[in-house]
Amino acid sequence: SQTIHQWPATLVQPVGSPLSLECTVEGTSNPNLYWYRQAAGRGLQLLFYSVGIGQISSEVPQNLSASRPQDRQFILSSKKLLLSDSGFYLCASSTGVEKLFFGSGTQLSVL
Amino acid sequence: AQSVSQHNHHVILSEAASLELGCNYSYGGTVNLFWYVQYPGQHLQLLLKYFSGDPLVKGIKGFEAEFIKSKFSFNLRKPSVQWSDTAEYFCAVNAGGSYIPTFGRGTSLIVHP
Repeated sequence: SQTIHQWPATLVQPVGSPLSLECTVEGTSNPNLYWYRQAAGRGLQLLFYSVGIGQISSEVPQNLSASRPQDRQFILSSKKLLLSDSGFYLCASSTGVEKLFFGSGTQLSVL
Repeated sequence: AQSVSQHNHHVILSEAASLELGCNYSYGGTVNLFWYVQYPGQHLQLLLKYFSGDPLVKGIKGFEAEFIKSKFSFNLRKPSVQWSDTAEYFCAVNAGGSYIPTFGRGTSLIVHP
């Protein structure tokens, strides 16, 4: 099965600072990769997904971007964080239409 | 675009009570259906899934779910809950062969011992 490594677990950043959250996958090759934001009572909102190196699709317009420099590496970034970027960010991986494997998440607080 | 509705946002039960969490989706074609669970402090993980065949599927820890196509529903059930079932539960749907699941808002379940 797949293992998702996601770090850091918690992050406190000032408004206007840059962001880089990293996610790596073990146990599979050429996975589909996803970034979700989880908000209490609002479920999981898909931010980005990728089917291959350099292939990124964005689901919602926002202050964030994603990159996939290697097959099993997925990075969530921002040049200038906003207060509204605070939240819990989850990386996930899948093979085809099968189930998702999730990372442990990053709790981001923008102050 | 498809949507997934979970009608119960917060459920509080006593141990040994029966559980049913509702999940409805809006898509008329072929679907793959999932329930995920997030125990406190743990990763989201798969509880059970339905792709085809018997519409009553069994998952881990005594959970089951029934796919009723005519009602566009995939409700989660457990006859007798335990304190350790306290968690957040998410219904998800892959519609039309898509590999991008749509998630419901989640249901927070608290089981009192």
